[in-house]
Amino acid sequence: GENVEQHPSTLSVQEGDSAVIKCTYSDSASNYFPWYKQELGKRPQLIIDIRSNVGEKKDQRIAVTLNKTAKHFSLHITETQPEDSAVYFCAASKGAAGNKLTFGGGTRVLVKP
Amino acid sequence: GAVVSQHPSWVICKSGTSVKIECRSLDFQATTMFWYRQFPKQSLMLMATSNEGSKATYEQGVEKDKFLINHASLTLSTLTVTSAHPEDSSFYICSADKDRGGQPQHFGDGTRLSIL
Repeated sequence: GENVEQHPSTLSVQEGDSAVIKCTYSDSASNYFPWYKQELGKRPQLIIDIRSNVGEKKDQRIAVTLNKTAKHFSLHITETQPEDSAVYFCAASKGAAGNKLTFGGGTRVLVKP
Repeated sequence: GAVVSQHPSWVICKSGTSVKIECRSLDFQATTMFWYRQFPKQSLMLMATSNEGSKATYEQGVEKDKFLINHASLTLSTLTVTSAHPEDSSFYICSADKDRGGQPQHFGDGTRLSIL
């Protein structure tokens, strides 16, 4: 089955700096890669996703890059703000309806004011 | 759109009790729903895939007789934790596929289960 590794497990950045989280996956058939932000005790919220036919996607301060050959994808947050502090999860799936998500271990991000 | 409602949000009960958690898709039909468990400071671990009108598919290591899943309609899936024990205390989250043939999944608010 799919295995998703996520690094780092914790990340502390100064407000205004950039944060980068990296994930690798094992199943070359995976073609959908979402990123979720989860605050304590709450549901995971989708912040950005990318499909395997695209190498990069950007939404304001958030961007995701995908390297299919190397089987890794990364989340980039620029101009970090204290409200970006949360746990971030990457995930991978084969993308069709009914296909399960396999999550990475999570990254706890702390943005210091 | 794509709202998933989960109920209850918080349960405290005695060891040996069975607890039912409901997951509803409010504004769309969900052929498939997923049940996850999340222990403190850990990731979401898929427990089972719930398919409307058929038996759920359980992940390896998840006891199907302990975690009963029913998906009787296109908008409702239930997870029953039978004879719950303290080690079953966790955050249980459901999600649903909105669109046939594609992601993303939409998550419920989760249920915090505490077994005394």
